[in-house]
Amino acid sequence: DTAVSQTPKYLVTQMGNDKSIKCEQNLGHDTMYWYKQDSKKFLKIMFSYNNKELIINETVPNRFSPKSPDKAHLNLHINSLELGDSAVYFCASSQAGVDNSYEQYFGPGTRLTVT
Amino acid sequence: KNQVEQSPQSLIILEGKNCTLQCNYTVSPFSNLRWYKQDTGRGPVSLTIMTFSENTKSNGRYTATLDADTKQSSLHITASQLSDSASYICVVSLYNTNAGKSTFGDGTTLTVKP
Repeated sequence: DTAVSQTPKYLVTQMGNDKSIKCEQNLGHDTMYWYKQDSKKFLKIMFSYNNKELIINETVPNRFSPKSPDKAHLNLHINSLELGDSAVYFCASSQAGVDNSYEQYFGPGTRLTVT
Repeated sequence: KNQVEQSPQSLIILEGKNCTLQCNYTVSPFSNLRWYKQDTGRGPVSLTIMTFSENTKSNGRYTATLDADTKQSSLHITASQLSDSASYICVVSLYNTNAGKSTFGDGTTLTVKP
């Protein structure tokens, strides 16, 4: 069974469109994340949710809106897509603790291409 | 500002050779340092984790070291294999902050050639 799954794996869309990426984890973790990896392979955190509550929002444009319907899901909705949004988006999950020592388990990524 | 810097940016070695990747950080308050391996087209996977009191941790042919005084870590790969070709990311986490507050390095891309 896949621990962290994302859909779709590939997404090609035009500028100005609205799209969503779904993420599900079956590890029973309390914390979920969204990361963006650009063409230079730099991995940057976008959001972190703990028990459905937004914990981290790293200066991401308002066009990006995460939604966590329950602990096992964290979806990412993007409005008015721009060329610069083209990247690979990774979802991850982990247990939570004050020492942040728990491993993050990453999904396979969603390659978003905006034309 | 919390930062994690990795070097070199990229590295090419021959199969069977050893190599060492470096990670310097200024993250505070320090909780732990983790090395991830990211194969092309896949998500990162954890290799090792070290806390303040640990100065070395091994995972097969991978050995990570940590010097908390100088805030430096290294990842040593022994007897490299073609499957070691990947990006290696150093991640340093803060203590007693919001869940999952970590700073990612920009990674070192390792290419192992036959």
